[in-house]
Amino acid sequence: EAEVAQSPRYKITEKSQAVAFWCDPISGHATLYWYRQILGQGPELLVQFQDESVVDDSQLPKDRFSAERLKGVDSTLKIQPAELGDSAMYLCASSPRTSELTIQYFGAGTRLSVL
Amino acid sequence: LAKTTQPISMDSYEGQEVNITCSHNNIATNDYITWYQQFPSQGPRFIIQGYKTKVTNEVASLFIPADRKSSTLSLPRVSLSDTAVYYCLVGDSSASKIIFGSGTRLSIRP
Repeated sequence: EAEVAQSPRYKITEKSQAVAFWCDPISGHATLYWYRQILGQGPELLVQFQDESVVDDSQLPKDRFSAERLKGVDSTLKIQPAELGDSAMYLCASSPRTSELTIQYFGAGTRLSVL
Repeated sequence: LAKTTQPISMDSYEGQEVNITCSHNNIATNDYITWYQQFPSQGPRFIIQGYKTKVTNEVASLFIPADRKSSTLSLPRVSLSDTAVYYCLVGDSSASKIIFGSGTRLSIRP
């Protein structure tokens, strides 16, 4: 069964450093999402791509976060500089059809710890 | 987007049927009801989706009354491996955003 790939699985960094997370969605999935999940809460959408274009980044803290999906396939989420409050699980998801965006397939996530 | 309300936690025992109810009083005509399951240190996994009446798959059943203001996820004969957080979401399938609440933490005991 095809899966959404994310790396790294774990990342420890110091505040003010830069971090980057990578996501490879399921082949053929045009819609890609990045979520942030704080322990004990549900995932919160950060950014949504349709192919290489950003559809929704209203919840992305743009002063320090950036996301790109240059060729409409894999994607990178970057934080610079990292802050203590950024410690969370960062999840990537993809969706196969624009008519069924409520059905999303998630990767295992990257757990970020900022010290 | 319609807001959902579900119990914070539930406990049950192996072999029992578990029903988790979700309230969504402001559901819109085009909204679907979707449930996800999340194990610790993993991403959420799609379980089931429905619009009205009853939907069943190999994992669960979803019951939706005629007014669609609530829904019930039914897990038959649960096992320890069903211990997880279950999220109820409501949204238009062509919408640009889905919103997760805090979910229901289901604990299954031997």
